[in-house]
Amino acid sequence: EMQLVESGGGLVQPGGSLRLSCAASGFTFRSYWMHWVRQAPGKGLVWVSRINTDGSTTNYADSVKGRFTISRDNAKNTLYLQMNSLRAEDTAVYFCARGYGSTYYYTVGYWGQGTLVTVSS
Amino acid sequence: QSVLTQPPSVSATPGQKVTISCSGSSSNIGNNYVSWYQHLPGTAPKLLIYDNNKRPSGIPDRFSGSKSGTSATLGITGLQTGDEADYYCGTWDSSLSAGVFGGGTKLTVL
Repeated sequence: EMQLVESGGGLVQPGGSLRLSCAASGFTFRSYWMHWVRQAPGKGLVWVSRINTDGSTTNYADSVKGRFTISRDNAKNTLYLQMNSLRAEDTAVYFCARGYGSTYYYTVGYWGQGTLVTVSS
Repeated sequence: QSVLTQPPSVSATPGQKVTISCSGSSSNIGNNYVSWYQHLPGTAPKLLIYDNNKRPSGIPDRFSGSKSGTSATLGITGLQTGDEADYYCGTWDSSLSAGVFGGGTKLTVL
């Protein structure tokens, strides 16, 4: 059974850093594009970032560009999101997600349960 | 403000049909595939429609998708109380080089 399990969320002060992890299982991780999507309290889904199969191509939403870095370790079947210079508006549930199929580089097909990041003093 | 525009809410009674619209531009919907997601708060979103009108395995044919120009539509027939959820459209924006979602539509089944 395919699983995506996020971890690393928590409370952090404005200006601080946090690294999210997403452990993947049940599929060939190295064959899929991976994404991070977030949802602020009471708001809608917002795409954050994506990474290709070997980590050589990444894209970011303008709101996080220069502050967040997506990466992956295919040997460990794990996706990461390094978040620096965090702001109150980054408070959200962060979802790890997989491309629908191995040839789908922007269609998100499967989602984890999410991890909550709260940025507050 | 989302790049893709959806109505904030729609409602209908059990058994009826409802449609949810998603409006964009040539840089997103006009030149890329649209997908639709169902999201119940506190759970993982679920893919309902991909490539504008295809259903993943396990999604009932009560759910359908279509696209015309820079707009897309999700249709749900035979509404059930279990369909109450938030629905989102999504695609890629070639100008932004970023994924984009609509603001979401809350479906109420009265």
